[in-house]
Amino acid sequence: GDSVTQMEGPVTLSEEAFLTINCTYTATGYPSLFWYVQYPGEGLQLLLKATKADDKGSNKGFEATYRKETTSFHLEKGSVQVSDSAVYFCALKGSGAGSYQLTFGKGTKLSVIP
Amino acid sequence: NAGVMQNPRHLVRRRGQEARLRCSPMKGHSHVYWYRQLPEEGLKFMVYLQKENIIDESGMPKERFSAEFPKEGPSILRIQQVVRGDSAAYFCASSPRTQLNGELFFGEGSRLTVL
Repeated sequence: GDSVTQMEGPVTLSEEAFLTINCTYTATGYPSLFWYVQYPGEGLQLLLKATKADDKGSNKGFEATYRKETTSFHLEKGSVQVSDSAVYFCALKGSGAGSYQLTFGKGTKLSVIP
Repeated sequence: NAGVMQNPRHLVRRRGQEARLRCSPMKGHSHVYWYRQLPEEGLKFMVYLQKENIIDESGMPKERFSAEFPKEGPSILRIQQVVRGDSAAYFCASSPRTQLNGELFFGEGSRLTVL
């Protein structure tokens, strides 16, 4: 079945540091890929997505590129801020007919210190 | 607040009791999804409902768990005779239609602790 593996946390960075959170997946066909973020005390919200190979999703300074050859969708940001402290979830949605379930990774907690 | 509302945020039950978790979707959304997050695990799909219909319950445990989304009122996830292994965060999400584009709107979750 489908699966998502993302780097374990917690990750602690200083403000303005470069961020990478690795995510790899296993799926048949051509899944869509997502990063969701959960800020403290809030629900998960969609951060960015990519629906086909070589697509780059971007939002709020975060980027991730759909790499089919390496089955990866790593999240990056050039300069993190304290407000980026949150838990980040990589997810995929299969491409089969009627597919609507999201498969999530375990989440990576990011803490950014001033 | 026009977001997905879940309550209670925290629920404590003793083994054998019943737990009821409620979810009001975003305004205008008629599709509801329940996910469970066990400790140190990712979110796992449980059930997908539309008003008065269960579309897919393939992620629901076969016993003790049930879900409904009535014509009026919130969606309810019901766990009967809870056991310690049911302790988890239960997230509800909604979408305006079948989320073919993958975007779900999540609530803050209900955290169930079974003593």
